[in-house]
Amino acid sequence: AQKITQTQPGMFVQEKEAVTLDCTYDTSDPSYGLFWYKQPSSGEMIFLIYQGSYDQQNATEGRYSLNFQKARKSANLVISASQLGDSAMYFCALGRTGFQKLVFGTGTRLLVSP
Amino acid sequence: DVKVTQSSRYLVKRTGEKVFLECVQDMDHENMFWYRQDPGLGLRLIYFSYDVKMKEKGDIPEGYSVSREKKERFSLILESASTNQTSMYLCASSPTSGSQSRYTQYFGPGTRLTVL
Repeated sequence: AQKITQTQPGMFVQEKEAVTLDCTYDTSDPSYGLFWYKQPSSGEMIFLIYQGSYDQQNATEGRYSLNFQKARKSANLVISASQLGDSAMYFCALGRTGFQKLVFGTGTRLLVSP
Repeated sequence: DVKVTQSSRYLVKRTGEKVFLECVQDMDHENMFWYRQDPGLGLRLIYFSYDVKMKEKGDIPEGYSVSREKKERFSLILESASTNQTSMYLCASSPTSGSQSRYTQYFGPGTRLTVL
């Protein structure tokens, strides 16, 4: 069975600091993908970053980077130079290659303070 | 940019009513999904469709049905709404080919449904 675990229900960070949101996963598939989404208070899920299980390098998208440690089955999201607009729920998700379905974690609420 | 729209942002219905939630995407995506989101439970897949008239049950299909008569439109139907179906409903679509990731799902703004 596939499973995503986000152990931090809430995180606090000050503006301009970096923050790491944890995500661990469990899958027996050799090929899979990991996704991070942001959900502001408006409700819409916004895609942030993707990491494939065979990708040699950690994914980066602007201020977002994914710290992918395959042996430890972790895919932590790192947000550098936090901004007030980063305050939101963040969800990690696992997708199986060949299938379109994603399994989502329960999310981490990030609050960025001035 | 991918655009996924949902027919209502907020909806209030009575127990026993038949409820239709509509989702439309404009990117010619093959796959479409319906999720419900509840606090502490994350997103749970209700149904998904990988082609017109094709559908597959997700993790929590009980009490729901779906319809996909056209590629761009995917409807979620609550045959007889119950109070435990009060939730946020999110629609998403994804392609089966393309750059970056074939599986990236793009979401609509959500419908917050309250069943009284």
